[in-house]
Amino acid sequence: DAGVTQSPTHLIKTRGQQVTLRCSPISGHKSVSWYQQVLGQGPQFIFQYYEKEERGRGNFPDRFSARQFPNYSSELNVNALLLGDSALYLCASTPPSDTQYFGPGTRLTVL
Amino acid sequence: ELKVEQNPLFLSMQEGKNYTIYCNYSTTSDRLYWYRQDPGKSLESLFVLLSNGAVKQEGRLMASLDTKARLSTLHITAAVHDLSATYFCAVDIFGETSGSRLTFGEGTQLTVNP
Repeated sequence: DAGVTQSPTHLIKTRGQQVTLRCSPISGHKSVSWYQQVLGQGPQFIFQYYEKEERGRGNFPDRFSARQFPNYSSELNVNALLLGDSALYLCASTPPSDTQYFGPGTRLTVL
Repeated sequence: ELKVEQNPLFLSMQEGKNYTIYCNYSTTSDRLYWYRQDPGKSLESLFVLLSNGAVKQEGRLMASLDTKARLSTLHITAAVHDLSATYFCAVDIFGETSGSRLTFGEGTQLTVNP
């Protein structure tokens, strides 16, 4: 079975721009979570979606938004990019009552 | 607010030696995870600990959980160079309406020297 996939792998944007990151969960997993990992730190929870509904939101500004589609894939959108948004963005896929499996991540650089 | 603290944050050890990484957390949790991350890579799941007294072992790594002390340990036995990586513990707080979310520690950067 394919694991969690994310696209793109790397992305370079300038301040003020908008970005969309994509994630496809493992087949059969209905829950997707997004995390931000700044260099040298542990990942921080941004959003969780289950059956296309937002189930949780971390301490991130409204510039961050997400959605989940009927096929359970998900998009994370970040508007008005700041230098501090530069990070590795990780998507995690979760079966019911089990561990979270992380995708390879999208490395976002904001210049 | 849930806090997860790991120590040490940096660990340099010789091959063949043993050491323990500690993970303390501040509130009751449903489960605790250990992940490994290689430089520039994603997170690889190592262990899931679900109950007090749980112990799991895989190769040279063994993880344990004491929910009363809110403490998990990751013990490394006879370290080898391939274990060099950053190790994270993460605590899962599940709510019926909020779902599952992981709170990570700062990570322990392990370097195993020949």
